[in-house]
Amino acid sequence: EVQLVESGGALVQPGGSLRLSCAASGFTFDSYAMTWVRQAPGKGLEWVSAISASGGTPYYADSVKGRFTISRDNSKNTLYLQMNSLRAEDTALYYCAKDLYYGSGSYLAVWDYWGQGTLVTVSS
Amino acid sequence: DIVMTQSPESLAVSLGERVTINCKSSQSVLYSSNNKNYLAWYQQKPGQPPKLLIYWASTRDSGVPDRFSGSGSGTDFTLTISSLQTEDVAVYFCQQYYGTPWTFGQGTKVEIK
Repeated sequence: EVQLVESGGALVQPGGSLRLSCAASGFTFDSYAMTWVRQAPGKGLEWVSAISASGGTPYYADSVKGRFTISRDNSKNTLYLQMNSLRAEDTALYYCAKDLYYGSGSYLAVWDYWGQGTLVTVSS
Repeated sequence: DIVMTQSPESLAVSLGERVTINCKSSQSVLYSSNNKNYLAWYQQKPGQPPKLLIYWASTRDSGVPDRFSGSGSGTDFTLTISSLQTEDVAVYFCQQYYGTPWTFGQGTKVEIK
């Protein structure tokens, strides 16, 4: 059974940093691109960042480019999101999600499994 | 960026009735080299993460009931629930994966009348 479990969310002051983790199990982690999608309270879905199966070719939304860094440790089956210079508008539930198609360097950007999310609140 | 616009924002339908949700993209998401529409639909129930329903505009994901269907091409797409069930109460999102940034529609809330 595929499982994605996010952690690391917290209340943080503006300008602060957090590192989110997503522990994956039940599939061959190093064969799939992974992504982070966020959802502000009561709002819609916003794609944040993605990384290929091999760990190269990351993509970022303009709203987080230069502040967030996505990475993965395929030996630990874990996806990360390092979040720096946090702003109030980054407040959201952050989901990690698995790409539907496998491939070392490719993305389909259709997400068939999602975690339950971890809540990031940026407030003073 | 490709802007995805859904309509209506919400609707209430009687059990067993048909539900139609529209999604329009600001530019075509039909890739000419493979004739595929890079359009997916997700369902999100309260307190749960999104669930993939449909991709390539009309391909149901594994285990998705056949009362859910997707149609359309280019810039105009439709998600249809042929006979609304209580468990279908949710918010539905379309998403384009034609190009980055990958973008979602604002969502359509479906309720029981």
